[in-house]
Amino acid sequence: SQTIHQWPATLVQPVGSPLSLECTVEGTSNPNLYWYRQAAGRGLQLLFYSVGIGQISSEVPQNLSASRPQDRQFILSSKKLLLSDSGFYLCAWSGQGDQPQHFGDGTRLSIL
Amino acid sequence: QKEVEQNSGPLSVPEGAIASLNCTYSDRGSQSFFWYRQYSGKSPELIMSIYSNGDKEDGRFTAQLNKASQYVSLLIRDSQPSDSATYLCAVNRDSGYALNFGKGTSLLVTP
Repeated sequence: SQTIHQWPATLVQPVGSPLSLECTVEGTSNPNLYWYRQAAGRGLQLLFYSVGIGQISSEVPQNLSASRPQDRQFILSSKKLLLSDSGFYLCAWSGQGDQPQHFGDGTRLSIL
Repeated sequence: QKEVEQNSGPLSVPEGAIASLNCTYSDRGSQSFFWYRQYSGKSPELIMSIYSNGDKEDGRFTAQLNKASQYVSLLIRDSQPSDSATYLCAVNRDSGYALNFGKGTSLLVTP
C-alpha cells in the first residue's frame, strides 16, 4: 500500500530564517505531488504541484519554492521566512488521471 | 478564479440523525468530486469520490452529484459523535490534476 511521509511535524522558526520541508511517498511510482498551506480558519491553498521529476507548477507567487529531485520526493523551501508564512503545510500525492489526493500528516509551522 | 462554496456551519445534529452537507462549484468542466474529513489539528482524510451524476453509497456515507446544477452533497446516516469534524468538498479543475477545495463545513454531532 501507498504511504506518504512528511516531516517535521512541528517547526518554530524566526522571521528571516530559511525553510526546508520534505515529503516522500512509498509504494507507488510517478505520483502527482502537491504542497498546500492551511492558515488558521482558512481553506486549503494549493502552493505547488508536480507531475514529474523537475516539473513544478506554482500557484501563488510568494517567497516559497518547491523542488522534486526524485520521483517520490517533494521539497518545499524558502530562503527567508515571513510572519505570513505561518500555517499548516500539507503534502499530498495522487495517481494519474482523476484520482483522489492523499495527504501526509502535515507540518505545523510557527514564525516568531 | 474557480470557486467551491460550502456553508461554514457549525452544523449541529443529534446522534443517530442524518447530517446533510452541501457544496456548489463554479467550474463547469469539473469531472471529479471528493469529500474529505478533517479532525481538528489533523490532515484531511478522503471519505468519498464521485464522478458521475447520481448517488454513491459507502457504508453510512452517501455522496450525491448533480453536474447540471453544479452541486455535490454528502449525507451521513446514523451520525455518531466521532463524525464531529470539518468536511471539505474538493473539485478537480478543468485544466488538470489540481483540486479546488471549499473552506469546509464544521459538523457537530451531539450525544
